Amino acid sequence: EVQLVESGGTLVQPGRSLRLSCEASGFNFDDYAMHWVRQAPGKGLEWVSGISWNSGSIGYADSVKGRVTISRDNAKNSLYLQMNSLRGEDTALYFCAKARSGSRGIDGFDIWGQGTVVSVSS
Amino acid sequence: SYVLTQPPSVSVAPGKTARVICGGNNIEGKSVHWYQQKPGQAPVLVIYYDSDRPSGIPERFSGSNSGNTATLTISRVEAGDEADYYCQVWDSSSDHVVFGGGTTLTVL
Repeated sequence: EVQLVESGGTLVQPGRSLRLSCEASGFNFDDYAMHWVRQAPGKGLEWVSGISWNSGSIGYADSVKGRVTISRDNAKNSLYLQMNSLRGEDTALYFCAKARSGSRGIDGFDIWGQGTVVSVSS
Repeated sequence: SYVLTQPPSVSVAPGKTARVICGGNNIEGKSVHWYQQKPGQAPVLVIYYDSDRPSGIPERFSGSNSGNTATLTISRVEAGDEADYYCQVWDSSSDHVVFGGGTTLTVL
């Protein structure tokens, strides 16, 4: 079964750091680009970051650039999101999503995890 | 940065046709993808590359893209189609993935 399972979300104080993980199964992880997409409570989808199949191409939304680092370990079928200097506006459900190809650009996302909740509050 | 505009809501009677629009400057020059998200669930890709349907998505779902508007069309609407629908593109100028604000489809 094709599956993405996120973990690492929790309640964290403003200014602190957090690392999200996404474990993939059921497909050749190293063939595909991967992305993080978040959804604040009651709001729409917001793209956070994406990484190509070989980590050669990486992109970040302006809202997180400089505070977030995306990475992947193809040997472990895993995607990561290191989040630093967290703010209240980072509070959201964070999804990892698989692109339909190895390029992180033009393709849609055909597999999504169920998400992990990040709550930033003092 | 590139902006995608969707109406907040669309209502349709069962059995009728629903059209969800997604506006963007010269959007016909981009590839548009559409997602369905039901409450408490992850999004599901229903249309990719403007008009292609992933396996498992009913033929009732179709898409088009022309000028400044992309359209998701749902024919013979069913109660189970009630959901939020999001359009998405990749903006090569900013190298960003962009989502529309989402449209809530209500089946009357």
